[in-house]
Amino acid sequence: KNQVEQSPQSLIILEGKNCTLQCNYTVSPFSNLRWYKQDTGRGPVSLTIMTFSENTKSNGRYTATLDADTKQSSLHITASQLSDSASYICVVSGVSAGNKLTFGGGTRVLVKP
Amino acid sequence: KAGVTQTPRYLIKTRGQQVTLSCSPISGHRSVSWYQQTPGQGLQFLFEYFSETQRNKGNFPGRFSGRQFSNSRSEMNVSTLELGDSALYLCASSLIAGGVTDTQYFGPGTRLTVL
Repeated sequence: KNQVEQSPQSLIILEGKNCTLQCNYTVSPFSNLRWYKQDTGRGPVSLTIMTFSENTKSNGRYTATLDADTKQSSLHITASQLSDSASYICVVSGVSAGNKLTFGGGTRVLVKP
Repeated sequence: KAGVTQTPRYLIKTRGQQVTLSCSPISGHRSVSWYQQTPGQGLQFLFEYFSETQRNKGNFPGRFSGRQFSNSRSEMNVSTLELGDSALYLCASSLIAGGVTDTQYFGPGTRLTVL
């Protein structure tokens, strides 16, 4: 069964500090991996999309890495801001049935001043 | 460019009733996907429509159905509502279906509460 596991489940960090979120997946064959940010009460917003051949992609203070061999990805937030408080969801697309998406459970990040 | 819109934003129903949710994708987008989000299960894929055809379906019972119109707008219907159907229902649109790096744009969701 295709699975996407994220860790930690939740995280509290101080404003200005960095943090790293982890995503492990078993989806195979793999097509692409996406990170989304979801603010409370809103729909998810795409941060990055990486294909098999990419191992890093940045979007402002967000940097995602991908190791397709070990089936691991990470999302690094640099110099966190209060607005980074949200849930971060890892989504993996498999090369079958129209690239159906498998969602991780998300990591809830709280940035404190 | 207007984003994905969903109506209604909030809905309260009782067990046994049925409900219809609506989603208008970004102009020019032809693919619409529906997801259910609950605190316990996270985001789960319901189905995807492209050019009025269902291309993909998740593991939900037949009470959950959908359709897409020629203008790409989509509706989702849940019949015989159960308490466990209480959730945030999200719609996402993308330019094409199954595109390897096609970005999905999510709407704000419809919060359904079943009493």
